[in-house]
Formats: sequence, structure tokens, C-alpha cells
Amino acid sequence: GAVVSQHPSWVICKSGTSVKIECRSLDFQATTMFWYRQFPKQSLMLMATSNEGSKATYEQGVEKDKFLINHASLTLSTLTVTSAHPEDSSFYICSARSGGSQPQHFGDGTRLSIL
Amino acid sequence: ELKVEQNPLFLSMQEEKNYTIYCNYSTTSDRLYWYRQDPGKSLESLFVLLSNGAVKQEGRLMASLDTKARLSTLHITAAVHDLSATYFCAVAPNTGNQFYFGTGTSLTVIP
Repeated sequence: GAVVSQHPSWVICKSGTSVKIECRSLDFQATTMFWYRQFPKQSLMLMATSNEGSKATYEQGVEKDKFLINHASLTLSTLTVTSAHPEDSSFYICSARSGGSQPQHFGDGTRLSIL
Repeated sequence: ELKVEQNPLFLSMQEEKNYTIYCNYSTTSDRLYWYRQDPGKSLESLFVLLSNGAVKQEGRLMASLDTKARLSTLHITAAVHDLSATYFCAVAPNTGNQFYFGTGTSLTVIP
């Protein structure tokens, strides 16, 4: 149980394009979803927290107009990196949980490479 | 600023040896989690610690939580090569919805 599916796994695209990453909870309802970014050999950095049906809460230093988050249902959240540039290249990981004290369940991550 | 620090950052140890990884945090929290990450992979949940004095064990790994000291430990007993990975602790403050990760400990077990 508690499976989180993230899509795509790896994407390479040219600078200036927008990239959408999907995060789905397959067998539970995720009241809260989280988006993280991880640079090589570093820890995970929380980018934003999203609750279904409301606007995402972004961490300090994360541009909300660049990283658009939509949490339209209890099983789906999307992260769109708009006008991506090489410095946005990173490993993006989503997670989801069903309740406040429940552990977060992580997707397999999306490796984003911007040329 | 909330800090979650792990010690050590890198650890290389021989098989069959024991060692402890420490996770210190700077906020009030009764919820601490341990995760494992293999290279190029996402995170795998290891332990969920939800109260002061909580101790959980799975195989060669044992985790504990001291909320008063704001300290969690991950103890490795008789290490084997399969345990080589990066281990993260994560803290959920008692207020708010966020989740903060430690710096990570990269463990290499040498045959």
C-alpha cells in the first residue's frame, strides 16, 4: 500500500520550455503533497506544500511564478517548471501523505535536465 | 531558522562492525522519520518515531528518539554491504505542515 507514482522519470529539454511533472497517490487519498528538489550529493530541499483545493505554500526563495503547483484532486498534484533554464536541472521528488502524523510516501523522482 | 543536522556526513565502515548515526534538530517535534536513499533513486521509509523514547528495530537497524534532547539515533549492528546507501532523518515540527530533512549520511560498508 501507499504507492506514489511520479511521471516522467527523466526529461531532457531545451532552455526556455516548460515542463510538467505529475505526482499521483495510487491507493490512498493524499490530503497533502510536497515537492522537493535535490541537487547531486545534497539533501532534499522542500520547495512547496500543497493541500487539495487550495493554493500551495512555497518555501522562502522558491519562485511561485516559476514553479507552478496544482493540487486539483486528492490523488494528483502537478509541478510545472516554466521557462526552464539549465540551473533548474535537478532531481525533483514529490511525496504525499494521508494525515498529519502519517509518514510521507515518496515518488520515484523526476530527473530534469535542461540543455 | 530550523536546522536538522546529521553526524557524520560520510561514513565508511567494515562489515560486521557497529556504528551510530546522529540526528539533531532545533525545533519542538514529536515526529521524526528515517529514510534510505540508493543512488539515483527516491526515498524509502525506514522508521516512523512518534513519541519521546520511541525505539524501533528492523533487521540490523535500530532507531530511537529523545524529544527532550531533540536527538534521534540510527544504530547499525553488524553492518553488511547491502546497507550501503544515504540515510536521511526528517523532522516534522509540532506546528505547521512541513517536513525538514537532515543533511544526510552517506554510508559505505566495505567487505
